[in-house]
Amino acid sequence: GAVVSQHPSRVICKSGTSVKIECRSLDFQATTMFWYRQFPKQSLMLMATSNEGSKATYEQGVEKDKFLINHASLTLSTLTVTSAHPEDSSFYICSARETSGKRTGELFFGEGSRLTVL
Amino acid sequence: AQSVTQPDIHITVSEGASLELRCNYSYGATPYLFWYVQSPGQGLQLLLKYFSGDTLVQGIKGFEAEFKRSQSSFNLRKPSVHWSDAAEYFCAVGALQGAQKLVFGQGTRLTINP
Repeated sequence: GAVVSQHPSRVICKSGTSVKIECRSLDFQATTMFWYRQFPKQSLMLMATSNEGSKATYEQGVEKDKFLINHASLTLSTLTVTSAHPEDSSFYICSARETSGKRTGELFFGEGSRLTVL
Repeated sequence: AQSVTQPDIHITVSEGASLELRCNYSYGATPYLFWYVQSPGQGLQLLLKYFSGDTLVQGIKGFEAEFKRSQSSFNLRKPSVHWSDAAEYFCAVGALQGAQKLVFGQGTRLTINP
């Protein structure tokens, strides 16, 4: 089946550094990808919609300069947490929507990336 | 704006017992409804989805859900749970058209007693 891969699955960084998380659709093209954030024992909150070849659309309250999103190709979106602080520690999950093929419109989720900022 | 409510934060059932997880949604148009399961530290796996047709939807792992428009509900059921069903379950609603952003419920944590 379709697979969405996130890398890294776990990352620990020092406060003030930047961290990049990749989201790849391995066997389909995705014009649109979504980035979610999940705090411990809580639900997923949509952060932004990543659009291939154009700027991301951020949800209200999400700092676009803090969470940089780049969707440079139909199979890759990246989320960069800039100048990370401990409060940015969270589980980040991406999802991708298949653009064409048998599963057009279906959403697939990555396995998530756990960020810990010391 | 769309919203999803899962009234039960935590449910405990015995192995072999039946299960029903509740989900109520608020959405102005025809909803696109999902149930996902998440094991600790993992991503989400789709159990089933509904967007039209038969209101009783069959999913993977023996799960089913029933869409009741009059009650704005999409409850998840399983006739006999297995220990491996212990996980977090999320109900979500999205638009059938457009960007298809999903709004998730708070989640229900399922514990299985042996």
